Amino acid sequence: GIQVEQSPPDLILQEGANSTLRCNFSDSVNNLQWFHQNPWGQLINLFYIPSGTKQNGRLSATTVATERYSLLYISSSQTTDSGVYFCAVTFRNTDKLIFGTGTRLQVFP
Amino acid sequence: DVKVTQSSRYLVKRTGEKVFLECVQDMDHENMFWYRQDPGLGLRLIYFSYDVKMKEKGDIPEGYSVSREKKERFSLILESASTNQTSMYLCASSALTVAKNIQYFGAGTRLSVL
Repeated sequence: GIQVEQSPPDLILQEGANSTLRCNFSDSVNNLQWFHQNPWGQLINLFYIPSGTKQNGRLSATTVATERYSLLYISSSQTTDSGVYFCAVTFRNTDKLIFGTGTRLQVFP
Repeated sequence: DVKVTQSSRYLVKRTGEKVFLECVQDMDHENMFWYRQDPGLGLRLIYFSYDVKMKEKGDIPEGYSVSREKKERFSLILESASTNQTSMYLCASSALTVAKNIQYFGAGTRLSVL
């Protein structure tokens, strides 16, 4: 069936470390978004990236649509990066945004 | 910047009460969505709407209804709240373009039904 899988499920880092989060999806997509859910529950848009590479400050993302995966890179992590990171996709010929299971990131000083 | 505003951050209601969760967006988006988020189950779509007075069931519509009388406002209604509806509720909106269908989310409403 249609699936969106994220890895790792949990990640613990010390401030200043770099990390890579992965999202695998089972079919061709129209839309892929990365979100950060902060400790108060707000889902914040990070990237709209159905293909290619984008960068925004310490964060960057790459989606290889032909191989059905996306990567989110966090460099020089800070405690404010803590929270859950979700990728979400809309598969071709559908309208629904399907969320992955998330990666819970904890950054310690 | 897109702004999606949910009327309450926290709500406590009693079993059997009728509950209204309100969501307003300021970007003239055609599409609006209601999700609930539960530990271990992720985000699940309850209802969505492509236009005023239009609604479509999502994956878990049972026990809920919605209202979209104006383009900017999408209300989620719990006709008779039950304890299993205790959850985090998230509203989202997006423009009606398949090519770039970016969803923007509100801050969420944590509902407790006692």
